[in-house]
Amino acid sequence: QMQLQESGPGLVKPSETLSLTCTVSGGSISSYYWSWIRQPPGKGLEWIGHIHYSGSTNYNPSLKSRVTISVDTSKNQFSLKLSSVTAADTAGYYCARGRYYYGSGSYYSWFDPWGQGTLVTVSS
Amino acid sequence: QSVLTQPPSVSAAPGQKVTISCSGSSSNIGNNYVSWYQQLPGTAPQLLIYENNKRPSGIPDRFSGSKSGTSATLGITGLQTGDEADYYCGTWDSSLSAGGVVFGGGTKLTVL
Repeated sequence: QMQLQESGPGLVKPSETLSLTCTVSGGSISSYYWSWIRQPPGKGLEWIGHIHYSGSTNYNPSLKSRVTISVDTSKNQFSLKLSSVTAADTAGYYCARGRYYYGSGSYYSWFDPWGQGTLVTVSS
Repeated sequence: QSVLTQPPSVSAAPGQKVTISCSGSSSNIGNNYVSWYQQLPGTAPQLLIYENNKRPSGIPDRFSGSKSGTSATLGITGLQTGDEADYYCGTWDSSLSAGGVVFGGGTKLTVL
């Protein structure tokens, strides 16, 4: 059974770069898409972006200028970097396997499984 | 402000049925498939429904999904206290520059 686990600092200073890694176990990262999703405390979900194991990426336009997602197939890991963070970036950050298909004029998309999540607080 | 609109909360008694709506537009729900997620208190979201109405293995058939036009609905029958959670809909939005996933704001289910 595939499992995902986020890791990284729980506290980041304003204007610095948030860096998280997701380690995939129980399966190979060399398939599918791999996504980051965040959730500010007490609020809803926000898709940050995804990377295909081949390295192609797609980011949320609202975050695109600050986001980089990368993949390391040799370590079965993928990573998130979010630059110039502010308090508004304080959130629980989740990694997830993304399933995306296009057929008959429609997109299919869902996330499964998810990591347990990690809370990142932006504060000096 | 979320792209997809969900009611902030719904409630029902144990054993009853409840539905949660998710409203969007032609650029998202109207032309793409919807997924639903359950987030129990203090835990990560879990996939409940994908491709509008399919259940992953292990999800009981008390949970169902449907879509009509630019709206989708999650149904839960035989409500249990363990179903108390936040529920989110999600789908692809083709209006974003390169496309991307959007979510509803979430609905808190209370089982009275």
